[in-house]
Amino acid sequence: QSALTQPPSASGSPGQSVTISCTGTSSDVGNYNYVSWYQQHPGNAPKLMIYEVTKRPSGVPDRFSGSKSGNTASLTVSGLQAEDEGDYYCTSSYAGSHSYVFGTGTRVTVL
Amino acid sequence: EVQVVESGGGLVQPGGSLRLSCAASGFTFSIYWVAWVRQAPGKGLEWVANINPGATEKYYVDSVKGRFTISRDNADNSLYLQMNWLRAEDTAVYYCARYGYNAAFDVWGPGTTVTVSS
Repeated sequence: QSALTQPPSASGSPGQSVTISCTGTSSDVGNYNYVSWYQQHPGNAPKLMIYEVTKRPSGVPDRFSGSKSGNTASLTVSGLQAEDEGDYYCTSSYAGSHSYVFGTGTRVTVL
Repeated sequence: EVQVVESGGGLVQPGGSLRLSCAASGFTFSIYWVAWVRQAPGKGLEWVANINPGATEKYYVDSVKGRFTISRDNADNSLYLQMNWLRAEDTAVYYCARYGYNAAFDVWGPGTTVTVSS
């Protein structure tokens, strides 16, 4: 299974919005609503931000939202704040199995 | 507090073996899928393996099949990863992660570092 494709970088000024794409295939993103997103700050473990395409775990600000269209999922961060800087990864189950594939990762910079 | 903590990482020569452990606490370990995810230096996340609650189903990324074995001890709330025939490309931080009923990796440990080098 190949890694899901994400843009290497994205940026925005404080208060602006940034959207990160995650492109897969009909074997993963396109056919299953088990897409999740993770935030990782340097030297730290990943943190779950979005699950099942659009849902936010308790404690995650509503500035974070997810969506999906066809084989591409997206994460939008609205009202960017300095603490939103970091690396973001998507993941999906593969072929409906209990195998998983992560995205290539996107570094978000707050200008 | 719900948490998982990895241990067992270290420096090993190519071709060598290492066993990683993950201690879970604060939740009913025996009813969850759990997984190993790794991150090579400066690289992205890679799912490595996972195991179902009863240890009857195990899945691996192609690059570790036949070399790594995932296992668990529900009585001890522990997850393991036996790594044999290690290669330089296995060098990474290895994370233990719970796969929750929200269909996502919702609890992560701080990671343990494995370095494969002569």
